[in-house]
Amino acid sequence: EVHLVESGGGLVQPGGSLRLSCAASGFTFSIYSVSWVRQAPGKGLEWVSYISNTGDTIYYADSVKGRLTISRDNAKSSVYLQLNSLRDEDTAVYYCARDRGHCDGGSCWRYFESWGQGTVVTVSS
Amino acid sequence: DIQMTQSPSTLSASVGDRVTITCRASQTISSWLAWYQQKPGKAPKLLIYKASTLESGVPSRFSGSGSGTEFTLTISSLQPDDFATYYCQQYNSYPYTFGQGTKLEIK
Repeated sequence: EVHLVESGGGLVQPGGSLRLSCAASGFTFSIYSVSWVRQAPGKGLEWVSYISNTGDTIYYADSVKGRLTISRDNAKSSVYLQLNSLRDEDTAVYYCARDRGHCDGGSCWRYFESWGQGTVVTVSS
Repeated sequence: DIQMTQSPSTLSASVGDRVTITCRASQTISSWLAWYQQKPGKAPKLLIYKASTLESGVPSRFSGSGSGTEFTLTISSLQPDDFATYYCQQYNSYPYTFGQGTKLEIK
């Protein structure tokens, strides 16, 4: 069974940093790409970042570009999200999700197949 | 960025009703659309991908249709477990974007 467990959330002051982790189990982690999606309190879902299975391809939402860094360690079946220069508007539940999709001629289209339970990040002074 | 607009934002219905949620994209996304269900305090759950393909294990009362810019999610006969918030998501191009959500409430 696919299992994703996020950790590392907490309360941090504006301008501070956090490192979120997503530990995977139940599947061959190294062949799957992973995304982070966040949800501010009472709000909708926002895609934040993507990392390919090898870590060679990475994307970020404009709202976090330059402040967030995604990485992965396939030996540890884990993905990480380093959050820097945090702002009030980064307060959210952060979910990691295993991607699944279709690739054709170098282009890929991926959706979020399995999700973790989320970790809460609160940015407040 | 591709904007996704869902309607209605809130929908009140009764057990046994047939309901439809609409999702519109600001530009064509072919059939690269997914639907998710989210219950309070829980992670989203994938229901449908590629606009109309039912995810394994999802009840057949859920169905999706559409292509291009207009899509619908239909629940043929509402069950008590279906009262939740539903999101559409385009995966035609990054940044992937979601609709604002449709909260399905018990009438």
